[in-house]
Amino acid sequence: EVQLVESGGGLVQPGGSLRLSCAASGLTFSRHSMNWVRQAPGKGLEWVSYINSSSSAIYYADSVRGRFTISRDNAKNSLYLQMNSLRVEDTAMYYCAGAAPFDYWGQGTLVTVSS
Amino acid sequence: DIVMTQSPDSLAVSLGERATINCKSSQSVLYSSNNKNYLAWYQQKPGQPPKLLIYWASTRESGVPDRFSGSGSGTDFTLTISSLQAEDVAVYYCQQYYSTLYSFGQGTQLEI
Repeated sequence: EVQLVESGGGLVQPGGSLRLSCAASGLTFSRHSMNWVRQAPGKGLEWVSYINSSSSAIYYADSVRGRFTISRDNAKNSLYLQMNSLRVEDTAMYYCAGAAPFDYWGQGTLVTVSS
Repeated sequence: DIVMTQSPDSLAVSLGERATINCKSSQSVLYSSNNKNYLAWYQQKPGQPPKLLIYWASTRESGVPDRFSGSGSGTDFTLTISSLQAEDVAVYYCQQYYSTLYSFGQGTQLEI
């Protein structure tokens, strides 16, 4: 059974930083591209970032480009999202998801940006 | 970037009746080399992550009841629930994966 478990969320002040992690099991992680998707409270889904299996292709949504950095460690079966210069509008549940179409999702980790 | 627009934003359907949700993309998501539409549908219930229902516009994910079906091609797509059950109350999203700058529709709230 595939499991994706996110961690690292929490309360941070505007302008601050946070690093999210996603631990994967039950799949050959090194062969899969991965994604981060977020959902603001009471709002819809927003794709955030993509990384391919070898980290040679990386993409970001316009809303986070230049502030967020996606990375992965295939030896540790882990995906990361470094979030800098956080804004109030970055407040959301952040989900780790597998390759598109997203058949694997984690339960999410909540990021709250507030003073 | 490809913009996905769903209609309606919310929908109330009686138990046992048909529910239809529409999704329109700002450009075609049909890849001519393999004749596949890079369009997926998800169901999200409160407090849960989304669940993949349909991919390639019309292929049901394993375990998804056959009352769920997807249709359409190019820029216009439809999710149909043939006979609404109480457990189908949820928000439904379409998503394009034709471009790696993936994008979702705004969601359709389905109620009884």
